[in-house]
Amino acid sequence: QKEVEQNSGPLSVPEGAIASLNCTYSDRGSQSFFWYRQYSGKSPELIMFIYSNGDKEDGRFTAQLNKASQYVSLLIRDSQPSDSATYLCAVNNFNKFYFGSGTKLNVKP
Amino acid sequence: DGGITQSPKYLFRKEGQNVTLSCEQNLNHDAMYWYRQDPGQGLRLIYYSQIVNDFQKGDIAEGYSVSREKKESFPLTVTSAQKNPTAFYLCASSPGQIYYNSPLHFGNGTRLTVT
Repeated sequence: QKEVEQNSGPLSVPEGAIASLNCTYSDRGSQSFFWYRQYSGKSPELIMFIYSNGDKEDGRFTAQLNKASQYVSLLIRDSQPSDSATYLCAVNNFNKFYFGSGTKLNVKP
Repeated sequence: DGGITQSPKYLFRKEGQNVTLSCEQNLNHDAMYWYRQDPGQGLRLIYYSQIVNDFQKGDIAEGYSVSREKKESFPLTVTSAQKNPTAFYLCASSPGQIYYNSPLHFGNGTRLTVT
């Protein structure tokens, strides 16, 4: 079983819609959770991080964490074509970071 | 500006040759990491180091070696024993163990092609 699982997509949404990206993790001892955005050929850039159960909002982005279900999600409101990228979920377990394989998001104008 | 510098950006080597990828950070971070990314795949951990003069194997360490002689530097050597070395290599750093909520900071990556 992989440490972090994501649906590879592609997830296609129209411009202005809400994109919902999901991630599950296997180790209940995981401490903090991150969403990175990666454009093709570039290195990942941090979008959000969360470590407490519930929601955390930053602009158009909301991260949601449910430790009981071992589930993390990222909502992108008012999706823009520039949001088209691969979104990587990462989990920190005692300073060892595990990544999912990423979900490719396409936002159609 | 603080950051992580990886060099070179592109690297071409013949099969059977060892090659060393450079990673330098000026963020004063204790922990450094090397990941490998293949097309359409996520990041897989090769080696990581929590402190100077110490490092641990990640999930795919075979065919790779590292050193951590200075806090700022964590070079990765891809040896001829690595069967499929062509990939995108990412170096990253984080403040360290007591800052477990801190994210990874990434360099711009080195794209290695072995023919």
